[in-house]
Amino acid sequence: AQSVAQPEDQVNVAEGNPLTVKCTYSVSGNPYLFWYVQYPNRGLQFLLKYITGDNLVKGSYGFEAEFNKSQTSFHLKKPSALVSDSALYFCAVRDGWNTDKLIFGTGTRLQVFP
Amino acid sequence: GAVVSQHPSWVICKSGTSVKIECRSLDFQATTMFWYRQFPKQSLMLMATSNEGSKATYEQGVEKDKFLINHASLTLSTLTVTSAHPEDSSFYICSAPSESTDTQYFGPGTRLTVL
Repeated sequence: AQSVAQPEDQVNVAEGNPLTVKCTYSVSGNPYLFWYVQYPNRGLQFLLKYITGDNLVKGSYGFEAEFNKSQTSFHLKKPSALVSDSALYFCAVRDGWNTDKLIFGTGTRLQVFP
Repeated sequence: GAVVSQHPSWVICKSGTSVKIECRSLDFQATTMFWYRQFPKQSLMLMATSNEGSKATYEQGVEKDKFLINHASLTLSTLTVTSAHPEDSSFYICSAPSESTDTQYFGPGTRLTVL
């Protein structure tokens, strides 16, 4: 079965510093990986995805993620964090090549301090 | 990106009543939509897959007679919580995959409070 793991419940970073939110995956076959962000009392907003191609994926709001097959990871990164980046971040993997169903990680709360 | 709306954004109802939540894909068609439930500070729990023109597919442990799903058109799915009880209070989120972008887009969510 497909799964993703987000090992950190919370990540704290100072504004202006680089940030990383970790995600590892376990899949059979090629992974379709996604990152979403959720602000309080809101739905999820799509940030970026990896399906095939370049291992470094660039997404919305200056975020990027690096697909690493050998480490089965898909960490979310941003070179310089903003206070407004503070939110809940979810990594997700498609539950198979022939379905749109997503399997979500447990989420990581990012707190950016001024 | 594509836009998915939900209505209402919040609702308060009395125990025993039914509540209908609408999910619409505004600028694309979706033969499939998904309904999730999210408890405070927790991840999303997939409840069911809504299929246009056919019955919904429910995840294990989700009562299909309690959470009625109707996918009336290629842009509208509804979730009706029947005979709601306080334990049904939660944040309900829908999503729809866009074939053109191969990405799933989420609605803003509906906060249900059952008194």
